[in-house]
This record gives sequence, structure tokens and C-alpha cells, in this order.
Amino acid sequence: KNQVEQSPQSLIILEGKNCTLQCNYTVSPFSNLRWYKQDTGRGPVSLTIMTFSENTKSNGRYTATLDADTKQSSLHITASQLSDSASYICVVKSGGFKTIFGAGTRLFVKA
Amino acid sequence: KAGVTQTPRYLIKTRGQQVTLSCSPISGHRSVSWYQQTPGQGLQFLFEYFSETQRNKGNFPGRFSGRQFSNSRSEMNVSTLELGDSALYLCASSLDNLGPAAYEQYFGPGTRLTVT
Repeated sequence: KNQVEQSPQSLIILEGKNCTLQCNYTVSPFSNLRWYKQDTGRGPVSLTIMTFSENTKSNGRYTATLDADTKQSSLHITASQLSDSASYICVVKSGGFKTIFGAGTRLFVKA
Repeated sequence: KAGVTQTPRYLIKTRGQQVTLSCSPISGHRSVSWYQQTPGQGLQFLFEYFSETQRNKGNFPGRFSGRQFSNSRSEMNVSTLELGDSALYLCASSLDNLGPAAYEQYFGPGTRLTVT
């Protein structure tokens, strides 16, 4: 069964600290994996897209990694800011053109 | 370039009524996908349209339907509304959602539907 599991469900960190969010998937065949940031009440905004051959991609303070062998991805946020408080959603697209969403990780950055 | 727009932004309906939501994709984008987002279920895929054809469908009852026009604008309709249909409905567009290239998908702000 195609599934995307994210951990932790929620996370509280202090401003300026780093954090890492996890995404494990069982989607097969794999096409691509995306990380989105969603602020409350708004649509998700893409942070990174990774295909099978890519194992790391950065977007400013966000760095995503992908291990296609173990079917794991992580999103690392460096020097967190208050504006990083949001939900982070991992989305995996299968080769059969199905899109499977993770439940998201709710990140709270405290001053 | 204008982003994805959705109308209306907020809507309150009564159980049993029907509702139509509209989505205008980014100019040049031919793929439009619809999603339902609720606190308990997260984001769930409803359907995807490409060149006026439904190309993919999620696991939602037949009360949920959609269509795409020749200018790529899309509408989704929910008939016989139920309380559980209260959610944020998101539309996303991309150049194309198929093929080896991972085309970027852009989301609109969503329509917040409340069913009372």
C-alpha cells in the first residue's frame, strides 16, 4: 500500500536552532518527492522537488535529502526563524501518477 | 505572472445544498488538481484535470465532481452537502503533471467551506 509517514507530528524549537523533519514512504514505483510549507489558512508552497537521482537539494535555509534505497527523506531547517512556524508536508508522486500526501509536521518556533 | 486564484475564498452553506468552487490556474498551465484539507485527514487528492479531461481521481463519493474548460479554468461541485464536507478546498496548477520531469505544482489560497 502506498503510504507517506512523517515524524514528528509536531515540534517546538527555539528561534535560531536547527531542526530536522522526517518522511518515510512506501510508494512504488517512485517518481518524485516534494516538501511543502503551509502557513495557517494558506495554500502550500513548494520548498523542494527531488527525483530519484537527486539526494540533496537546498532552498535557502531549507535542505532536503533523499535516500531512494531506504525510501527516506528529511528536511533540515537551519537557524530557524519565527516565520518558519508552519506545517511541513511531504508529498510523494508515484510512477502511476498517484499523489500521496503525508499528514505533515507542525513546527512551532518560539522566541 | 499572476498566481493560482480561487473563488470564493470563504463560503457557508447548509446541509443538503450544493456548491461550486472555481479555480483559475497560472497562465499557460494545463493541469489543475483539487484537494480537500481537513484537520483530521490532512490533504487528500480529489481529482486532476488536463486539457479538459479528468486524468486522475481520488477516493471521494460521486457527490464530488469537477470539470475543466478550454481556457484551463476549473470548477468543482459538491452536491448534497454534508457536515463532514467542511474543509479547505485547494486547487493547484502545473504545466503538466505527467512525464519524467517533476513539474512544479503551485497552490491557490483555497476556499474555506463551512457546512452548517
